[in-house]
Amino acid sequence: AQSVTQLGSHVSVSEGALVLLRCNYSSSVPPYLFWYVQYPNQGLQLLLKYTSAATLVKGINGFEAEFKKSETSFHLTKPSAHMSDAAEYFCAVTPLRRSSYKLIFGSGTRLLVRP
Amino acid sequence: NAGVTQTPKFQVLKTGQSMTLQCAQDMNHEYMSWYRQDPGMGLRLIHYSVGAGITDQGEVPNGYNVSRSTTEDFPLRLLSAAPSQTSVYFCASSSYSKNTEAFFGQGTRLTVV
Repeated sequence: AQSVTQLGSHVSVSEGALVLLRCNYSSSVPPYLFWYVQYPNQGLQLLLKYTSAATLVKGINGFEAEFKKSETSFHLTKPSAHMSDAAEYFCAVTPLRRSSYKLIFGSGTRLLVRP
Repeated sequence: NAGVTQTPKFQVLKTGQSMTLQCAQDMNHEYMSWYRQDPGMGLRLIHYSVGAGITDQGEVPNGYNVSRSTTEDFPLRLLSAAPSQTSVYFCASSSYSKNTEAFFGQGTRLTVV
């Protein structure tokens, strides 16, 4: 069965510091992987997605993620945190290609940005 | 384009009551799904639909019913509300033909007392 593990339910960084949010997945087939962001009292917004093209994926708001098959990881990074990045971030996988109706989510990581 | 619209945004129910959470999308997406979000558990799939007239169960379907009579609408019915169904519910839609990611509504916060 597919699963997603996000290490760290809370991550705290200083404004301007590197952001690193970790995501590891298990999948018996090449997966589609996603990072979503949720601001308070909002729905989920797509940050970026990996669909078997380039392994380094660039998303919105300066975020990027690298797909590493050997490590089964898809960590999210941003070189310099901004106060507006404070939110909850979810990594998700689909067990089948073109099956975005059936996402499996990690438990989420809340990012806190200190001034 | 409104995207995915969920109503109501907030709801309080008494144990045993029934209600329907509404979800509508205007993007002509084939796929629609319902998730519930609980603290520390991420989002879990309740039911999904790959097209009008076709629905199937997700990870946590017990206590919920769905139907899909049109492409646009995918209501979620709580048959007899229980406190364990207190959660935030999200509807999502996506397109097979355009191979898009899932687009989410703003959520419905449900409290069962």
